[in-house]
Amino acid sequence: DTAVSQTPKYLVTQMGNDKSIKCEQNLGHDTMYWYKQDSKKFLKIMFSYNNKELIINETVPNRFSPKSPDKAHLNLHINSLELGDSAVYFCASSLRGNYEQYFGPGTRLTVT
Amino acid sequence: SQQGEEDPQALSIQEGENATMNCSYKTSINNLQWYRQNSGRGLVHLILIRSNEREKHSGRLRVTLDTSKKSSSLLITASRAADTASYFCATDEGYSTLTFGKGTMLLVSP
Repeated sequence: DTAVSQTPKYLVTQMGNDKSIKCEQNLGHDTMYWYKQDSKKFLKIMFSYNNKELIINETVPNRFSPKSPDKAHLNLHINSLELGDSAVYFCASSLRGNYEQYFGPGTRLTVT
Repeated sequence: SQQGEEDPQALSIQEGENATMNCSYKTSINNLQWYRQNSGRGLVHLILIRSNEREKHSGRLRVTLDTSKKSSSLLITASRAADTASYFCATDEGYSTLTFGKGTMLLVSP
């Protein structure tokens, strides 16, 4: 039983396209996150989402938007993809507060 | 901005040896966490140490936290080839979002 799942695992697309990455968690957590890992393996928080409260990292372009249909899902929608968006995107979840996070397997996005 | 800085960037040891990785950070924290990432995989949580704790153990892992020096260390004892991975420290400054360091790549040779 996968705790945090993401689809697709790989995504290859052209510049200018719009794409979405889906994330689901079955852990009963109340907070979900999106992280971006660049080619140098540096992980950076993009968003956290808890009970309709969205905290956005100010460095994230507004082409990126998280969408949460319910507590178990937090999808990432990206408009007008750019070459620099190529990275691995990780979804994670946790209970809000002083707790560890559980990560999905990642989605490798390649923009050509 | 980047919070944690791991040291060393890369570490190569033989099976059975101990591996020590260090992490330094800049601001006050709620807790500090260590994660492992195998090549091409997601991150796996290893251990969480709260700001009022100084040492924590989990199996072959030992983590220390020195809030006065803003530093932490992860010790893996009796390492195995399966411990080969990247190890990241991450700080929680109280907003439930983690700030990660650049990681230490550990290679354990049989």
